[in-house]
Amino acid sequence: EAGVAQSPRYKIIEKRQSVAFWCNPISGHATLYWYQQILGQGPKLLIQFQNNGVVDDSQLPKDRFSAERLKGVDSTLKIQPAKLEDSAVYLCASSLGAVEQYFGPGTRLTVT
Amino acid sequence: AQTVTQSQPEMSVQEAETVTLSCTYDTSESDYYLFWYKQPPSRQMILVIRQEAYKQQNATENRFSVNFQKAAKSFSLKISDSQLGDAAMYFCAFLPGGSNYKLTFGKGTLLTVNP
Repeated sequence: EAGVAQSPRYKIIEKRQSVAFWCNPISGHATLYWYQQILGQGPKLLIQFQNNGVVDDSQLPKDRFSAERLKGVDSTLKIQPAKLEDSAVYLCASSLGAVEQYFGPGTRLTVT
Repeated sequence: AQTVTQSQPEMSVQEAETVTLSCTYDTSESDYYLFWYKQPPSRQMILVIRQEAYKQQNATENRFSVNFQKAAKSFSLKISDSQLGDAAMYFCAFLPGGSNYKLTFGKGTLLTVNP
């Protein structure tokens, strides 16, 4: 089966610009996650969707980050405006609503 | 809130030798899962092994095994017969039981395998 797809793989932007990331989960997986992984650290959950509803967005900086999963399948994560400290790898993962999460390849964002 | 601590930022091992990566966690939950994930350079994170807290038997997956000490809240990963392809960042992760599937990761251990 196809894995979790993410695009773009790399993105370089200047601070105060906006950027969007896209994620396509494994077919049939109801739960979708966005993580932020800063260099040298483990991933940190930003937001979790169950179908198209938000389950947990307690660690999402809502003044600049937004995410949506309109039809319960694909998801986009947006940053507007970006700050230098947003430089990180953004990982998308999905699960069948159970224990095991499957990760995508990530999008490496560099903010200059 | 749960915390996961990996006290070894870097480890190295000779090819074909055995290495153990350490992980401790703190939680008040009685039902939970523990995982080791592998993240090769510039490649995606994959699950290596998982352990259910209610199981006393340590999980094993081929050359990978864990030493789960529930009372001590310790969860170490042993890699036997290390191969060059094992070189990666390894993350220990905690997942509470129930319907909140919120993974908490440690900071990772970078494993180098020397030929």
